[in-house]
Amino acid sequence: GAVVSQHPSWVICKSGTSVKIECRSLDFQATTMFWYRQFPKQSLMLMATSNEGSKATYEQGVEKDKFLINHASLTLSTLTVTSAHPEDSSFYICSATQGQGAWNEQFFGPGTRLTVL
Amino acid sequence: GQQVMQIPQYQHVQEGEDFTTYCNSSTTLSNIQWYKQRPGGHPVFLIQLVKSGEVKKQKRLTFQFGEAKKNSSLHITATQTTDVGTYFCAAVRAGNNRKLIWGLGTSLAVNP
Repeated sequence: GAVVSQHPSWVICKSGTSVKIECRSLDFQATTMFWYRQFPKQSLMLMATSNEGSKATYEQGVEKDKFLINHASLTLSTLTVTSAHPEDSSFYICSATQGQGAWNEQFFGPGTRLTVL
Repeated sequence: GQQVMQIPQYQHVQEGEDFTTYCNSSTTLSNIQWYKQRPGGHPVFLIQLVKSGEVKKQKRLTFQFGEAKKNSSLHITATQTTDVGTYFCAAVRAGNNRKLIWGLGTSLAVNP
């Protein structure tokens, strides 16, 4: 099956710093990538949808300037958490599909555990 | 707000017992997908249902899509300890295939 990698797998940072998380589709071209946030024992919360070469579509309540998403190529999307604060600590997961929209199966990365001190 | 209701939230069974989780939507769905997330892991796609009344089987797992395309279920026959994890349904609303609407998940624990 299709493989999606995420880097780093975990990161600890100080409050006020920025953290970049990379999501790569290793063996397929990902037209669409999704960024999720998941709190312990809770469901996935979609943060934004990104299509290669265009601006990301953010969900209601997600700050665009705080969570910067770049989808520069068909195999790479990045999420930058700017000026991170302890409340941003969470598990961030990306997923990728081979077509546009949510119709297609999503392949998930292993996730990034962010802890902000 | 939550547009796809998934129940139960938790289920604890003895190994060998059956297990079912249900997803219900107030609106008609284009399709519904099911994912499994093991503890500490990431969601893994299990199946997609598209047709009204569709039933699909994967070994001990049976997936159903309702006739009205507003509900779905996942049934596991004779659970095993390897079935432990959280099962999520995720639906695409008719007329809006931009994103998946996720259920809250059902966490399954299996006693050996």
